[in-house]
Amino acid sequence: EAGVAQSPRYKIIEKRQSVAFWCNPISGHATLYWYQQILGQGPKLLIQFQNNGVVDDSQLPKDRFSAERLKGVDSTLKIQPAKLEDSAVYLCASSLQFTDTEAFFGQGTRLTVV
Amino acid sequence: GDSVTQMEGPVTLSEEAFLTINCTYTATGYPSLFWYVQYPGEGLQLLLKATKADDKGSNKGFEATYRKETTSFHLEKGSVQVSDSAVYFCALSDKGGGADGLTFGKGTHLIIQP
Repeated sequence: EAGVAQSPRYKIIEKRQSVAFWCNPISGHATLYWYQQILGQGPKLLIQFQNNGVVDDSQLPKDRFSAERLKGVDSTLKIQPAKLEDSAVYLCASSLQFTDTEAFFGQGTRLTVV
Repeated sequence: GDSVTQMEGPVTLSEEAFLTINCTYTATGYPSLFWYVQYPGEGLQLLLKATKADDKGSNKGFEATYRKETTSFHLEKGSVQVSDSAVYFCALSDKGGGADGLTFGKGTHLIIQP
């Protein structure tokens, strides 16, 4: 079974530029998560989708971050404009449903803002 | 709010040594507790979990017991191998036994020397 796919693996941008990350979850998984992992810290949930609806985006900085999952399958996370403190690994995860099921994580996208 | 505190690393051990990685948590309700592992170059993987007090999670020789009285979920292994070298994350969820709304600790880097 194919795992969670993310691209790109690495991205370097200048501050104030925009960037987008893509995630394709495991086939059939209804729930999709985006996490931000700053160096030396644990992952922090940014947003959670159930199919194409947002379940929790309470920790998403909505002035610069946006995410969508239009057809309830793959998802895009965008940052516009980027700040230096956005440098982190962005992890995507998916699970079959949002309760009592294991989440499977992708390898992440490492973003460096210079 | 919810939080997870785990021992800082790196933790360096010799092969076949006994391992303990401490984890304590703060939560308002009765959370489910997890250990995730991240091997070099790979995504986060669920190692084990426990969903109620006194439950013991186990996998690949690792164990952790949910101790409500001490709000702890320490990870143990009797004899570590070089292949156990990885970063270990303790996490909790107050929304059930699945991946909904995970709160992670900062991670502990484990290095096993032959």
